[in-house]
Amino acid sequence: DAGVTQSPTHLIKTRGQQVTLRCSPKSGHDTVSWYQQALGQGPQFIFQYYEEEERQRGNFPDRFSGHQFPNYSSELNVNALLLGDSALYLCASSPDRGYQETQYFGPGTRLLVL
Amino acid sequence: DAKTTQPPSMDCAEGRAANLPCNHSTISGNEYVYWYRQIHSQGPQYIIHGLKNNETNEMASLIITEDRKSSTLILPHATLRDTAVYYCIVRRLTGANSKLTFGKGITLSVRP
Repeated sequence: DAGVTQSPTHLIKTRGQQVTLRCSPKSGHDTVSWYQQALGQGPQFIFQYYEEEERQRGNFPDRFSGHQFPNYSSELNVNALLLGDSALYLCASSPDRGYQETQYFGPGTRLLVL
Repeated sequence: DAKTTQPPSMDCAEGRAANLPCNHSTISGNEYVYWYRQIHSQGPQYIIHGLKNNETNEMASLIITEDRKSSTLILPHATLRDTAVYYCIVRRLTGANSKLTFGKGITLSVRP
């Protein structure tokens, strides 16, 4: 059983560009959450997708947007990249059964903005 | 979600038990205690969670005090591969799939 997968593993962009990161959830999971982890900090919640809709959102600007597909995979899009967007971007998946479920994380995508 | 407090770092000898403390004095009755760890540059790995009873799985044991204001994660026989940042997280019980709020965690160094 494959766990959560993310692509690409590493990415280098320049300021002002746009980036798309991808996540495939663990088999049987329909909820995808995205987190940003700056160097030396704990992960910070960006947003969560369920049934192709954004269900929760953290304190991130509208430059951060997402999408969830019918097969539950998800994309994170960041527009107008800033140097401060350099971070490890983590995707976590979980099933939705109406109560708290454990979230399982992928290996992350490391984004460097120059 | 209630806030957690962890020491920034600790170390232990390989083969010995590692006891990682966490303070969550403002925890409410509808909040779980979760532990994750993150080995350098990898995604966080789920370890264990509990509400008020002690819990044990193949990775670790979680001891929650009776007043639920603190907890201890125990790795019974630490190995070099257990060197990682360990995060203690309080997460509300109600609602579906609430977010995880990470602090800075505690860095555990296991020495040979």
